[in-house]
Amino acid sequence: GDSVTQMEGPVTLSEEAFLTINCTYTATGYPSLFWYVQYPGEGLQLLLKATKADDKGSNKGFEATYRKETTSFHLEKGSVQVSDSAVYFCALGMDSSYKLIFGSGTRLLVRP
Amino acid sequence: GAVVSQHPSWVICKSGTSVKIECRSLDFQATTMFWYRQFPKQSLMLMATSNEGSKATYEQGVEKDKFLINHASLTLSTLTVTSAHPEDSSFYICSASGDSAEAFFGQGTRLTVV
Repeated sequence: GDSVTQMEGPVTLSEEAFLTINCTYTATGYPSLFWYVQYPGEGLQLLLKATKADDKGSNKGFEATYRKETTSFHLEKGSVQVSDSAVYFCALGMDSSYKLIFGSGTRLLVRP
Repeated sequence: GAVVSQHPSWVICKSGTSVKIECRSLDFQATTMFWYRQFPKQSLMLMATSNEGSKATYEQGVEKDKFLINHASLTLSTLTVTSAHPEDSSFYICSASGDSAEAFFGQGTRLTVV
């Protein structure tokens, strides 16, 4: 069945470091891909998304490119801030019903 | 973005009792709501999909008689864990979608059954 695999955390970085969180997926069709972020004590928020191959989603300095050939959607940011500390979830959706399949989440801790 | 509120944020109950979790869309009409469950260090697993005014659609392996879902209005869905047992302890998260091309998530409810 469809699934999402993302790197285990926690990922600990110093402020202004480069961030990559890997995400790969398995799907029988052509899914949309998402990154959600969950700040402490809050619900999941959509960070960015891409709906077809080679699309790049971007928001708040984060980027991810839908790579069909490698079935990947890695999250990157050039310079992280302490305020980026959160749990990041990669997810895929197979239709417009917003039913999502999530990865296990990666906790990011950014130190000053 | 739109706001979805879950209540309570955490609850502790005795084994054998029932617990109700509410999910409200505060500033939009949610035609569809989803309930997820998350075990420690694991993915969010979809439990069921509910559309306002109709019966929920449960994912394979989810006991519909144990996890009762009601979506009686466009702003409220409830999940009732009936006769809860320690293995039901988990983090439950709802999401809601309306006219916009996005699902909005509640902050989650941590259930501990003792």
